[in-house]
Amino acid sequence: GAVVSQHPSRVICKSGTSVKIECRSLDFQATTMFWYRQFPKQSLMLMATSNEGSKATYEQGVEKDKFLINHASLTLSTLTVTSAHPEDSSFYICSARDLGAVAYEQYFGPGTRLTVT
Amino acid sequence: KQEVTQIPAALSVPEGENLVLNCSFTDSAIYNLQWFRQDPGKGLTSLLLIQSSQREQTSGRLNASLDKSSGRSTLYIAASQPGDSATYLCAVLFMEYGNKLVFGAGTILRVKS
Repeated sequence: GAVVSQHPSRVICKSGTSVKIECRSLDFQATTMFWYRQFPKQSLMLMATSNEGSKATYEQGVEKDKFLINHASLTLSTLTVTSAHPEDSSFYICSARDLGAVAYEQYFGPGTRLTVT
Repeated sequence: KQEVTQIPAALSVPEGENLVLNCSFTDSAIYNLQWFRQDPGKGLTSLLLIQSSQREQTSGRLNASLDKSSGRSTLYIAASQPGDSATYLCAVLFMEYGNKLVFGAGTILRVKS
């Protein structure tokens, strides 16, 4: 089946620093990738939609200058949390849509736990 | 605004019991509906995807049904096991939103041995 990886799986950083999270589709091409955020005991909330070769589309209330998204190839999207603060601590999950799939199915990565101290 | 609701929020059952998780959504114009499993601190595992034209999908002890006209889906788990304990999430791809999956809040399932 389609596999999506994320790196790192867990990161701890100091307040004010930036952190980059990678999302890769390992065995398929993805023109569209999605970034979600999940707070403890809550469901996933879509942050942005990342399209290869174009600017990302951000959901209402998500700061585009704080959460920088780059989708440079059909298999890689990155999310950079700039000037991180403790309130950015969360579980970040990416997903990718298979270019060749007919059912609009999204495949999810294992998530990245970000802790800002 | 399109919404997905899951009932119950939490469920505790003895091992071996058959159970049903419910998902409702606000618009029948959908591309598909997916059921996921999430273990604590982990990512999502896709269980079943039902396309708009389908009424049900089965995988092992799991069976998911879809009734678009009433805006409902159920996930049936047969002969539950302690290893089934997890949070189960329902997500809907609404046509109005194109790419965006809308998730329910989830049902936390505990199967007691």
